[in-house]
Amino acid sequence: DAGVTQSPTHLIKTRGQQVTLRCSPKSGHDTVSWYQQALGQGPQFIFQYYEEEERQRGNFPDRFSGHQFPNYSSELNVNALLLGDSALYLCASSPRQVYEQYFGPGTRLTVT
Amino acid sequence: AQTVTQSQPEMSVQEAETVTLSCTYDTSESDYYLFWYKQPPSRQMILVIRQEAYKQQNATENRFSVNFQKAAKSFSLKISDSQLGDAAMYFCAYRTPPSAGNMLTFGGGTRLMVKP
Repeated sequence: DAGVTQSPTHLIKTRGQQVTLRCSPKSGHDTVSWYQQALGQGPQFIFQYYEEEERQRGNFPDRFSGHQFPNYSSELNVNALLLGDSALYLCASSPRQVYEQYFGPGTRLTVT
Repeated sequence: AQTVTQSQPEMSVQEAETVTLSCTYDTSESDYYLFWYKQPPSRQMILVIRQEAYKQQNATENRFSVNFQKAAKSFSLKISDSQLGDAAMYFCAYRTPPSAGNMLTFGGGTRLMVKP
């Protein structure tokens, strides 16, 4: 049984560009959460998707948007990239909104 | 809003010895979960142990145990018989109640070094 998978593993973008990160949840999980982890810091909650809708959102600007597909996979989109968006982006899934979350290996985004 | 504080940026322990990592949190809720996650250099966040706030008994998972002091809002992790593979970043995390969406709030982390 595959765990949470994320793609790509790492990527480099230029300031002002747009990026899409992808996440496939663990089998049987229908809730996906996204976190941003800056270097040397703890992860910060971006938003959570359940039943293809954004259910909760952290303190992130509208440049950060997402989507969840019928198969529960999810995308994180970031527009107008800033240097400060450079971070590890973690996806976590859970069976329902009430269970502990299982994390993927993350996508390392570097903005130059 | 909930906050989680880890006051020890780095800790060091001799192999086979015991080490305790500290965590405090702030919340007005009575129903919540607390977690310790381990993040090795591979970046994968691994769940180490969890504690339900309504349970008075401290959680234990093999060499890992917690000291949960609800009134003091303290949640420390004790690692016994430390092994080289325990070296990693450790994050304390608070989970909001189900009615508030199951979001995790993390502390800033403690880097644990294990000396052979």
